[in-house]
Amino acid sequence: KAGVTQTPRYLIKTRGQQVTLSCSPISGHRSVSWYQQTPGQGLQFLFEYFSETQRNKGNFPGRFSGRQFSNSRSEMNVSTLELGDSALYLCASSLGLAGTEAFFGQGTRLTVV
Amino acid sequence: KQEVTQIPAALSVPEGENLVLNCSFTDSAIYNLQWFRQDPGKGLTSLLLIQSSQREQTSGRLNASLDKSSGRSTLYIAASQPGDSATYLCAVNPPGTASKLTFGTGTRLQVTL
Repeated sequence: KAGVTQTPRYLIKTRGQQVTLSCSPISGHRSVSWYQQTPGQGLQFLFEYFSETQRNKGNFPGRFSGRQFSNSRSEMNVSTLELGDSALYLCASSLGLAGTEAFFGQGTRLTVV
Repeated sequence: KQEVTQIPAALSVPEGENLVLNCSFTDSAIYNLQWFRQDPGKGLTSLLLIQSSQREQTSGRLNASLDKSSGRSTLYIAASQPGDSATYLCAVNPPGTASKLTFGTGTRLQVTL
């Protein structure tokens, strides 16, 4: 079965711009979570969506937002980009039930110049 | 606040050696613990999932154990191969959430010929 698909794989944006990243979960999975990975901070949780509702949110500024559609696909948006937003953004897909396994996509590498 | 630590941060071993990677967490109230591997610039590949009620899980040459009361998990890799070279990450899933993982700092493994 198809895995988690993230698009695009690479992005270069200018400071002040905004960006939208997309994640298509495994078929049948209703939960999508987003993480930011940087060399200095490691992997940090951004937010989780389940059945179109945000269920959990990490400690990130309001410039980071997301949504989930009825087909479980999710988008993440970052507005007013800063140099420090350069990172690998990963999304994870799961059934959304407590204790179930999370499967990750290949990530989107965002570079802000 | 849950904190996850992995020791050592980096490890280099010759091919064929058995090795153990360590993961410790500060709050024993977890739903499960998951081990992942990450190749440079890539996403995370799930290796093993241990539920909080389990003591260990095995998959091929990999064996993961969990001691929830002491806040420790180990990943044992038997007969290491150059293809095992990657960064290994452990992550815990706290109760009350389905997909909000707290990640460790990772162990970068290099298996040499």
